[in-house]
Amino acid sequence: AQSVTQLDSQVPVFEEAPVELRCNYSSSVSVYLFWYVQYPNQGLQLLLKYLSGSTLVESINGFEAEFNKSQTSFHLRKPSVHISDTAEYFCAVSDEGYKLSFGAGTTVTVRA
Amino acid sequence: DAGITQSPRHKVTETGTPVTLRCHQTENHRYMYWYRQDPGHGLRLIHYSYGVKDTDKGEVSDGYSVSRSKTEDFLLTLESATSSQTSVYFCAIGGGFADTQYFGPGTRLTVL
Repeated sequence: AQSVTQLDSQVPVFEEAPVELRCNYSSSVSVYLFWYVQYPNQGLQLLLKYLSGSTLVESINGFEAEFNKSQTSFHLRKPSVHISDTAEYFCAVSDEGYKLSFGAGTTVTVRA
Repeated sequence: DAGITQSPRHKVTETGTPVTLRCHQTENHRYMYWYRQDPGHGLRLIHYSYGVKDTDKGEVSDGYSVSRSKTEDFLLTLESATSSQTSVYFCAIGGGFADTQYFGPGTRLTVL
């Protein structure tokens, strides 16, 4: 199974500032990469995913993530955050196509 | 929540008692998963199913069993609950290879 490391457990950030959440995984074999978001007291929702093709993946709400095979990373970025982006973010990896390995999560707190 | 319900949503039980959690889907997805979420660990896969009566273990399956007698229902059973099984349990569904997993709202289980 893959090992997934999210390098920051807590990220406080001011509204309209940029944010980067870092994710590294253990293997350089072909992988599928996901970012999920969990709002307070809810289940997880898919934010974006990388399966193949362009290494830069974008979501509909302004987040983007870049797949870097040589560094085995899939960092998530947003150039300007909103209060509503306060949530916990999980990086997940699959090398078998259907079983996911999750990181420990990064809590993003956006302050006015 | 992509047509996924979990019941009960909250449960408090005592050590040594059996507990069954239910996941019900209306999406006719082949794959179903049970995860537990604990602070500092992210989500960890307990068991998954790839069809009716076809199940397999995840990374933290000890103390848990599952059953899937119908496409739409996936049951998780704690035969004799322990305090270490206090957690939030999420069910997820997915179509298979590299497909997005959709998560239910979760069940908060407390074992006293």
